[in-house]
Amino acid sequence: KQEVTQIPAALSVPEGENLVLNCSFTDSAIYNLQWFRQDPGKGLTSLLLIQSSQREQTSGRLNASLDKSSGRSTLYIAASQPGDSATYLCAVDSNYQLIWGAGTKLIIKP
Amino acid sequence: EAEVAQSPRYKITEKSQAVAFWCDPISGHATLYWYRQILGQGPELLVQFQDESVVDDSQLPKDRFSAERLKGVDSTLKIQPAELGDSAMYLCASSSGTGGYSYTDTQYFGPGTRLTVL
Repeated sequence: KQEVTQIPAALSVPEGENLVLNCSFTDSAIYNLQWFRQDPGKGLTSLLLIQSSQREQTSGRLNASLDKSSGRSTLYIAASQPGDSATYLCAVDSNYQLIWGAGTKLIIKP
Repeated sequence: EAEVAQSPRYKITEKSQAVAFWCDPISGHATLYWYRQILGQGPELLVQFQDESVVDDSQLPKDRFSAERLKGVDSTLKIQPAELGDSAMYLCASSSGTGGYSYTDTQYFGPGTRLTVL
């Protein structure tokens, strides 16, 4: 059974720092992996989607990598800003299901 | 910019009462999803529609939950009777996917309905 884990559950860093969020999954047979952002009390916004054949995707200050063999993905945020404060979730498309992690709550301190 | 609409945004009800949530997907999106998200957890898929047909409702508690998308456009999710454990955020999402179980297409989420059962 596929399980998705995100550690840490919460992270607080000063503005301007580069940071990495982690996502791990137990079954490497995935179709793709997505990173989402969720602001408090709101829905989710898709940030990046990485196909299983890809190693990384970039969008602005965000870069997501995928290592299927080790069951890991990272979301790199460059030059963090207070507006980046949100919960970041990863989701794995596996065995005809979208399996979600519980998210990492990120706080960027001004 | 087109958005997924959901109403109501907040709902407080007493246990054993009936509640209903409405979702209007982005125009032209054939696939519609209903998720339940408990605080501090990731979303859990309740039901997926392709046009008016149910593609996946394996996680839907069918003894109390029902969902419909009669004309393949907007959708309603109903709970009857509501229980204390149903307190959660109910999220609707849509995508332009052509069917099946592919999640390659980006899902666009609505703002959600926060349900509190007392």
